[in-house]
Amino acid sequence: DSGVTQTPKHLITATGQRVTLRCSPRSGDLSVYWYQQSLDQGLQFLIQYYNGEERAKGNILERFSAQQFPDLHSELNLSSLELGDSALYFCASSGPSPQKSRNEQFFGPGTRLTVL
Amino acid sequence: AQSVAQPEDQVNVAEGNPLTVKCTYSVSGNPYLFWYVQYPNRGLQFLLKYITGDNLVKGSYGFEAEFNKSQTSFHLKKPSALVSDSALYFCAVRDENSGYALNFGKGTSLLVTP
Repeated sequence: DSGVTQTPKHLITATGQRVTLRCSPRSGDLSVYWYQQSLDQGLQFLIQYYNGEERAKGNILERFSAQQFPDLHSELNLSSLELGDSALYFCASSGPSPQKSRNEQFFGPGTRLTVL
Repeated sequence: AQSVAQPEDQVNVAEGNPLTVKCTYSVSGNPYLFWYVQYPNRGLQFLLKYITGDNLVKGSYGFEAEFNKSQTSFHLKKPSALVSDSALYFCAVRDENSGYALNFGKGTSLLVTP
């Protein structure tokens, strides 16, 4: 158990809908990263938050957004869903300071999103 | 951009034999390299990392990795494979241009047969 929790485990929805994925980082970790894993794109970095602020963006679509709350949990919002958004979405957390940290990231179990 | 490549989609090895999963990297500056393992329907589990220091890094579950700067490689190794090692293995590099996110290779499926 990595200490990172994600809910829900599975999500099935229809095209055009909007969903919210939730992540709670390990205790003490200030950085949260979101990744998407799909068969065709592999594991891709989407977005990073550090202590409530957006720090970096990867290959995140404009239809997707995220935020990190004062209690450090994070939510990834996916809207106007398309069939191609079906994937496994992972959240990861790491130590107190990303610039100075040499720490590894700890991954949650993921949320499997199926868009029908 | 910082990147890694895993040249093999699948590696097959018999139980008890040594295993190697290959990874090469392309970075500017000093590389921060990682290996993760993913079991079916599970998240990624951290195995080991190279930051600096000894070129041979020891990690979890008996795995180790050898950092080779001249060959820009970071191969994952284990002296004696177990059937339970069968999983998907990812090499990753930390990208300082993306908030220190990880850039992953495409993964190598390891199959250990009894």
